[in-house]
Amino acid sequence: AQSVAQPEDQVNVAEGNPLTVKCTYSVSGNPYLFWYVQYPNRGLQFLLKYITGDNLVKGSYGFEAEFNKSQTSFHLKKPSALVSDSALYFCAVRDLANSGYALNFGKGTSLLVTP
Amino acid sequence: GAGVSQSPSNKVTEKGKDVELRCDPISGHTALYWYRQRLGQGLEFLIYFQGNSAPDKSGLPSDRFSAERTGESVSTLTIQRTQQEDSAVYLCASSSRGLAGTSTDTQYFGPGTRLTVL
Repeated sequence: AQSVAQPEDQVNVAEGNPLTVKCTYSVSGNPYLFWYVQYPNRGLQFLLKYITGDNLVKGSYGFEAEFNKSQTSFHLKKPSALVSDSALYFCAVRDLANSGYALNFGKGTSLLVTP
Repeated sequence: GAGVSQSPSNKVTEKGKDVELRCDPISGHTALYWYRQRLGQGLEFLIYFQGNSAPDKSGLPSDRFSAERTGESVSTLTIQRTQQEDSAVYLCASSSRGLAGTSTDTQYFGPGTRLTVL
């Protein structure tokens, strides 16, 4: 069973508008959740993570994510999108019970921010 | 303060040849991971090293794949008798183990090696 799902292959948003990139997870224990961003021909850059504590996590470049245990979701958000935010976004979960310390990644969501 | 580095950045090889990919982790990071990213896909875990412990090889797709790491330094991923389906970007990541061996450490990724098998 897939540990993390990103239901949208692509998200389009106009510059200045809020953006949301969706992620849901399925793990047997407490989830450790991560968001990474990948720019063309570049490696993955860490944005933020949720381990425990406050459900709203703030990260790099003005991004934040909200952990929702009842909905098993960890959606990435930003109040005002920039054209430079256009990239591929990956949600990942660490499922210690099943896959140890490796991260299980979603298939990625391509974000396109138009001027 | 260099990040994770990988070499080569690009590798084109012929089917059946062996290839070796290299990863230099962030200095002081005890954990090192290899992932594979096929075109249009997410990342697939391959292998995990933690200090001098036995590596977690559970993600290696076949016995043609192997990896080594000496201590907490450089790692090499070797693919023998390459096949066209091995074409992918191979990403390396490293992390530092948290206090009391916690699992909250963040993985930092290198730029990857793009492997093309003709």
